[in-house]
This record gives sequence, C-alpha cells and structure tokens, in this order.
Amino acid sequence: DAMVIQNPRYQVTQFGKPVTLSCSQTLNHNVMYWYQQKSSQAPKLLFHYYDKDFNNEADTPDNFQSRRPNTSFCFLDIRSPGLGDAAMYLCATSRDTGRPAGEQFFGPGTRLTVL
Amino acid sequence: QKEVEQNSGPLSVPEGAIASLNCTYSDRGSQSFFWYRQYSGKSPELIMFIYSNGDKEDGRFTAQLNKASQYVSLLIRDSQPSDSATYLCAVLSGNTPLVFGKGTRLSVIA
Repeated sequence: DAMVIQNPRYQVTQFGKPVTLSCSQTLNHNVMYWYQQKSSQAPKLLFHYYDKDFNNEADTPDNFQSRRPNTSFCFLDIRSPGLGDAAMYLCATSRDTGRPAGEQFFGPGTRLTVL
Repeated sequence: QKEVEQNSGPLSVPEGAIASLNCTYSDRGSQSFFWYRQYSGKSPELIMFIYSNGDKEDGRFTAQLNKASQYVSLLIRDSQPSDSATYLCAVLSGNTPLVFGKGTRLSVIA
C-alpha cells in the first residue's frame, strides 16, 4: 500500500545532542510537510517542500533544519534539542498542482523525548 | 494571523446520538475546509472536506459550511465509541499552507 513512513517511531535524545528524524513516502506526492505537535495543541507547521522548493515558516526556530534529497525522502534535523522540543513530529504529504493543498496524508509520527 | 477556533471539549455524547462539532475561522477569503480525526497518540486522518456553502454528506458524517458566518461544522450521526477521538478543523486560504485548529475532543459513551 502507498504510504508515508516515519522513522524512528520513538526517539530519545539528550539535551543539546543533535537528532535526525526521517520520512519517506511511496505516494509520489510533490509536497512534503513537517509539523510539530504538542499535547492538546494543533499541529504546528515547521516547513514544507514543494518539490525541492523549501518553504520555512517565519516562526520556526533556526535550531530546526530540513533536507529533501529526492521526492521520496525528507529529513528533519534538530541541531541542539531543548526540553521544549519534546513533541510528536509529524510528516505529511500532498499532491499538488502549484500550491499547498488541504488533503494531506500523515505518517504515524515520531515521538521525541529530550532528557 | 489566520486563526481557526474550536471548543477543546471534551464533548460527551451517548452512543447512538448525534455529535456536533463546530469551528470558526478568521480569514474571510478562506476557500477550503477540512475535518481530520486524530486518535490519541496517532496522526491525523482526513475524514471530510467541503468547499461550497451548504451540507456535504458522507456516510454518518455531514460537513456544513456557512461562509457568511465563517463557520464550519461536522455532524456525526449514530455516534459510536470508536468515534471517540480529537477532531481537527483545518482551513486553506489562497496560497498559504493549511491552518489547523486545536481540535475538539469527542467522547462517545457506551
């Protein structure tokens, strides 16, 4: 089945220790998104790619970086995680003809714990 | 700042009843409206979308849109315990990414 896969599902890191979360998709969608979601809060968009065109949200901290080496894969790098970065990180995709779309397909998420 | 507002709940309804979930949005130019369901500890899943004023039905779910009042709702008929989840309203405006509300937690009591 076509899907969005995230690895790992659970990630524990230490304060300040860099971490990379990965996302892959078999849907061949050209738009990919990274969201941060904390308990009882809305998913917060960090950035998105339209193909290789990177779009950073204005309030995304510099501590968060992303890479999309090809259509299928996208990575979220947190350079120096703080306690406040503990959250669920969601990857999503959408197919699109020129702008972000509302029908998004989410991966299962990575739960990040910062010790 | 585009905003999407939802009552956080919890909204408790008995099994078999109609659950009514409401959402308001601030951007009058918004064009498309989406309802996502999110089970605890899981990722959001799209259940319905609506673009035009009026009602749109899909099985037990009905989405209702009133652009003049900037209001969108989701009705769930014959609610089941398996419908217990958080329902996220999301709004798309122009060329900007989807904006999510915080969600309403629904609890269906058997």
